[in-house]
Amino acid sequence: AQKVTQAQTEISVVEKEDVTLDCVYETRDTTYYLFWYKQPPSGELVFLIRRNSFDEQNEISGRYSWNFQKSTSSFNFTITASQVVDSAVYFCALSEAGGYQKVTFGIGTKLQVIP
Amino acid sequence: EPEVTQTPSHQVTQMGQEVILRCVPISNHLYFYWYRQILGQKVEFLVSFYNNEISEKSEIFDDQFSVERPDGSNFTLKIRSTKLEDSAMYFCASSDSWDRVPSNQPQHFGDGTRLSIL
Repeated sequence: AQKVTQAQTEISVVEKEDVTLDCVYETRDTTYYLFWYKQPPSGELVFLIRRNSFDEQNEISGRYSWNFQKSTSSFNFTITASQVVDSAVYFCALSEAGGYQKVTFGIGTKLQVIP
Repeated sequence: EPEVTQTPSHQVTQMGQEVILRCVPISNHLYFYWYRQILGQKVEFLVSFYNNEISEKSEIFDDQFSVERPDGSNFTLKIRSTKLEDSAMYFCASSDSWDRVPSNQPQHFGDGTRLSIL
């Protein structure tokens, strides 16, 4: 069975601080995908990144970066120089690589960036 | 960029009534999904649909729920005899054929329908 754990339920930071959101996953599959989604107060799910299990390169996109470590089954997300617009709930998620690609979500981390 | 569209954005229904949530997946996608998110909780898988039949469903997806692809473009979730606890955000999603791996396209989610049962 697949499982995604986001141990931090809520985080508050002051604007311009860096913040890291933790994600630990469990799966028996050898090939899988990992995701991060952002859910602003308006409720939609905004896709941020998808990572294949065979690609452990870290990725940077503007102020966002992701650290994928297969050895510790972690896929952490860092926002540098946080902004008020980053305030949202962030979900880490996991899916199988083939077939139906059902996505298993973590419980989410609510990030509040204080001006 | 193509999008998954869901209608309505907000549905208010009396308890015990039937409700149909509608989704238009991305046109060349083959796999379709419904997810549910009760307020303040995580997004939970309900059902996946492929080749005009259910391929997998969760324990949440009981006899009260059904899905249908009535034509070539729509994908619907029907909830019969709604209960208060059905109040949630319902997300539709679609994905491309898996045998195009590696694909850079994620599973695409619609913006959701907020269902309120009174």
